[in-house]
Amino acid sequence: GENVEQHPSTLSVQEGDSAVIKCTYSDSASNYFPWYKQELGKGPQLIIDIRSNVGEKKDQRIAVTLNKTAKHFSLHITETQPEDSAVYFCAASRSGTSYDKVIFGPGTSLSVIP
Amino acid sequence: EAGVTQSPTHLIKTRGQQVTLRCSPISGHTSVYWYQQALGLGLQFLLWYDEGEERNRGNFPPRFSGRQFPNYSSELNVNALELEDSALYLCASSLLYQPQHFGDGTRLSIL
Repeated sequence: GENVEQHPSTLSVQEGDSAVIKCTYSDSASNYFPWYKQELGKGPQLIIDIRSNVGEKKDQRIAVTLNKTAKHFSLHITETQPEDSAVYFCAASRSGTSYDKVIFGPGTSLSVIP
Repeated sequence: EAGVTQSPTHLIKTRGQQVTLRCSPISGHTSVYWYQQALGLGLQFLLWYDEGEERNRGNFPPRFSGRQFPNYSSELNVNALELEDSALYLCASSLLYQPQHFGDGTRLSIL
């Protein structure tokens, strides 16, 4: 079945450093890749997404890259701040089809040390 | 604009009981999704409803069921509760095939 792997499971960085989270997916028909941030006691919040016709997308300090050939995609956070500390989930889906079931990775717990 | 709202926020049940969780989507959204997030685990897809119809279902037993009402709100029903059903149940809504927006979930504890 469909699967999304995510690494690392935990990540600690110093404030101001960059953080990178990597994901791989198994379903070659996946065409939509969202990233969610989940703070303690809250539901996941969409922070950035990318579709398969784009290789890279950036929004201020956050960027996502996609390599469809290798079925890899990554989240890059620059100039990290303490408020970036949270659990981050990558996901993949066949958006626009009746198989549009979002498969989530297991999550990465990011800690930004002041 | 109000976000996705879920009720109740917390719930305690015992084994064998039945529970109903509720979700109100963002105004205008027609799709509602349900996920289970067990402690320390990722989000497991449960159900997807759009325009009142079940569109897709995850690998969960039939005692997990739900429905979507004409106003697009949704219920998730779980029968014959088991200890391993203890989890955070998350609801998300979207326009069809658009990004999903999540509520803060219902924390279900089974004793």
